[in-house]
Amino acid sequence: SQQGEEDPQALSIQEGENATMNCSYKTSINNLQWYRQNSGRGLVHLILIRSNEREKHSGRLRVTLDTSKKSSSLLITASRAADTASYFCATDAPNFGNEKLTFGTGTRLTIIP
Amino acid sequence: EPEVTQTPSHQVTQMGQEVILRCVPISNHLYFYWYRQILGQKVEFLVSFYNNEISEKSEIFDDQFSVERPDGSNFTLKIRSTKLEDSAMYFCASRGAGNVKYEQYFGPGTRLTVT
Repeated sequence: SQQGEEDPQALSIQEGENATMNCSYKTSINNLQWYRQNSGRGLVHLILIRSNEREKHSGRLRVTLDTSKKSSSLLITASRAADTASYFCATDAPNFGNEKLTFGTGTRLTIIP
Repeated sequence: EPEVTQTPSHQVTQMGQEVILRCVPISNHLYFYWYRQILGQKVEFLVSFYNNEISEKSEIFDDQFSVERPDGSNFTLKIRSTKLEDSAMYFCASRGAGNVKYEQYFGPGTRLTVT
């Protein structure tokens, strides 16, 4: 698999349920970031987790990072219709401040009202 | 809250024409990036820019592409002679300085259609 592969590729759940998306990567990272993209729109930054962190919370979002398995998960609790979007993980490697992001393939999340 | 802005939101051009995509990064940010996303595909890195010069560029960023920060606020991407395969959404991003501000904030994108 390529750097930054999310699974599942698509996920449909009922409103109010929790949604979990996973991301795997191959090379060492500095940070891992999650973004949301509504159809045909821009990328909204959700959360960043550093390589020395294991878990981070922001509102209804919970991100975990397991560097030994080179994987991360994004949990959205109590989902809402407005959470319908594509979610991408993006990693960066140490590069003296010029850290480019390598994006995953994304998970298309659909919340059913 | 400060945000990255991009203009135009949609640009249609004929093959072989030059296009300039414009971005205004967040004002106190020092690192600037262009990415692109071909419809249905991953977001791909094109180029990073710091201290008025390119820090890194991808294989996609060939001689047809150039970037410029002509003043203290704008950051532009120029494609000299567009090809059909340049049709994509182009995103500008910026991040702050230092080792504690790695978050990259993206603009809403410019959809480029080459006919």
